[in-house]
Amino acid sequence: SYVLTQPPSVSVAPGKTARITCGGNNIGSKSVHWYQQKPGQAPVLVIYYDSDRPSGIPERFSGSNSGNTATLTISRVEAGDEADYYCQVWDSSSDHPNWVFGGGTKLTVL
Amino acid sequence: EVQLVESGGGLVQPGGSLRLSCAASGFTFSSYAMHWVRQAPGKGLEYVSAISSNGGSTYYANSVKGRFTISRDNSKNTLYLQMGSLRAEDMAVYYCARLGDSVEYFDYWGQGTLVTVSS
Repeated sequence: SYVLTQPPSVSVAPGKTARITCGGNNIGSKSVHWYQQKPGQAPVLVIYYDSDRPSGIPERFSGSNSGNTATLTISRVEAGDEADYYCQVWDSSSDHPNWVFGGGTKLTVL
Repeated sequence: EVQLVESGGGLVQPGGSLRLSCAASGFTFSSYAMHWVRQAPGKGLEYVSAISSNGGSTYYANSVKGRFTISRDNSKNTLYLQMGSLRAEDMAVYYCARLGDSVEYFDYWGQGTLVTVSS
């Protein structure tokens, strides 16, 4: 089955730019979706189809996807961005559709 | 406003059964595929099961196939997950989630219900 690899943790100072990667075999050929999960809360969709933002998600959140790596970029990081972030793809290559999540990345705002 | 409210979680012994429910409101429930996604304590997200908008197609992760059954009642705007032969590794927060307008991503999530498997 398809595997997504994320770094366990990323740290960034307030006001700086955070980049969270999601690796997968030829992931650039798939659409990648990103979720933010704060402690004790449900996940929230922040990026879909590689780079689209749902309504209500700040423009500081952006995404890209090429080759074997997709990236979630958070500009001008704020304390409230501290959370776990998960990438996800829909894998139709197996015998039945499968929704695959990365292991998650904990973003720490220093 | 889209709302998904899970219920039915609790403490169950290994080998036992439990039925989770997810009450949906704020959208046309019968038009959307729905999912269950779980998260073990301190771990990441794991897809569990999916059901098409009319209930005609269902999908399961290999880890739960043959033990869990997903269903829905569109007249009651409710999603279900019947869990059987529960194991310690099934212990998790179970979220119901709405599949977006495409089949690829989840656009709304409930707050989750905790299932504890322990003797």
